[in-house]
This record gives sequence, structure tokens and C-alpha cells, in this order.
Amino acid sequence: SQKIEQNSEALNIQEGKTATLTCNYTNYSPAYLQWYRQDPGRGPVFLLLIRENEKEKRKERLKVTFDTTLKQSLFHITASQPADSATYLCALLINAGNNRKLIWGLGTSLAVNP
Amino acid sequence: NAGVMQNPRHLVRRRGQEARLRCSPMKGHSHVYWYRQLPEEGLKFMVYLQKENIIDESGMPKERFSAEFPKEGPSILRIQQVVRGDSAAYFCASSPGQGTNQPQHFGDGTRLSIL
Repeated sequence: SQKIEQNSEALNIQEGKTATLTCNYTNYSPAYLQWYRQDPGRGPVFLLLIRENEKEKRKERLKVTFDTTLKQSLFHITASQPADSATYLCALLINAGNNRKLIWGLGTSLAVNP
Repeated sequence: NAGVMQNPRHLVRRRGQEARLRCSPMKGHSHVYWYRQLPEEGLKFMVYLQKENIIDESGMPKERFSAEFPKEGPSILRIQQVVRGDSAAYFCASSPGQGTNQPQHFGDGTRLSIL
């Protein structure tokens, strides 16, 4: 069956450390993978997109890797801050008939402790 | 430069009533997506619309649920004869197109509670 898995347990790290979040998928061949941040009571906010032919993408303190052989994406936040505390969602953009569709993971909760 | 606006933020209905959820996309965006989110299930795609057209409704229940995106005005997600299982957060997202490098911009959702 097709599925997307993210770390189900909350991640707690100390301020200043690097947070690494994992997104694994099976039986999909995504064209793109996106990462979003969601705060309680709010909608998801887009962070980064990486294409299937890209290995790595960076934006400020954020870095995403995409390994289509392992079917895995890693999301890194360097020099983490308490303000980075949120739930992080990965989403695969897949072909669905004549359209493309985003399929979402359940998200990983990150807490950065001061 | 307003983002995606959803209203109401919270909606309480009794079983059997109708719920109408509204979504105004970002200015210039003609593509709208509706999602439902439950704590243990994550975001689930419901329907994808362009102006006056339903493009993909594969995630929408066949009964009681409908969606529209008229030429003028917001997109509406309508749930008739609501049941307790309809309680969830409903999110709307918009994009300027379905291009693969265009992220979706989300509203802050409508939290629907069924008594």
C-alpha cells in the first residue's frame, strides 16, 4: 500500500542544536516533495520544495534532502530556536490521473527548549 | 496583500443541520483546494476546484458534501445533514495554478463541531 511516514514521536531538542526530521514514503513516485510548518490553530505554511532530480535544497537555516532511492527526505533546522517549535509536515506531489495531488504525512512535532 | 481567508473560524451545528464553510483565495489565485484534518489522520484531500469547475473531487464523500467556486465570490464547502463524524478542522488552500513549483497557501481553517 502507499503511505507516508514521519516520526510519530515528538522531537525535543535544545536551543542551538540541529533538528532533523524524517519523511519516508513507499509505493509513490513523487515528482516533488514539499515541507510545511503548522502551528496550533493555524493552517500549514509552505517552507521548501525539492524536485525529484535535486539532492539538496537550502533556505536560510533550513535544509532539505531528497533520496528517491531510499524514498526518504530529511528536513534539517540548524541553530534551532524556540520559535521553531511547531509541527512539520511533509507532502508528496504525485500524479493522479490528469491532475497532480498533494499527499500528506501526519507531521512531526518539534519542541525547541531554551 | 491578504492571504487565504476562511470563515467562520469556528462553527457549531446540531446533527441534521447544514454547515457552510467559506474560503476566499489569495488575490490572483484561481485554484482552490479543500482539506479535512483530524488529529490522528492528518490532512486529507477533499476537492480541487478552479473557477466554476470541479477538477478533482475524489476525496469528497459521495453524499451530503458538495463544493463550488463560483465566478464571483468565495469557494463554499457545504455539508448537509451533519453527523458527529463530520467534526474536524477544514482547511482551504489556493494557488495561482497547478504548476509543480507552486506551493499551496492555506487559510487558518474552520473548526466544525457537531453537537
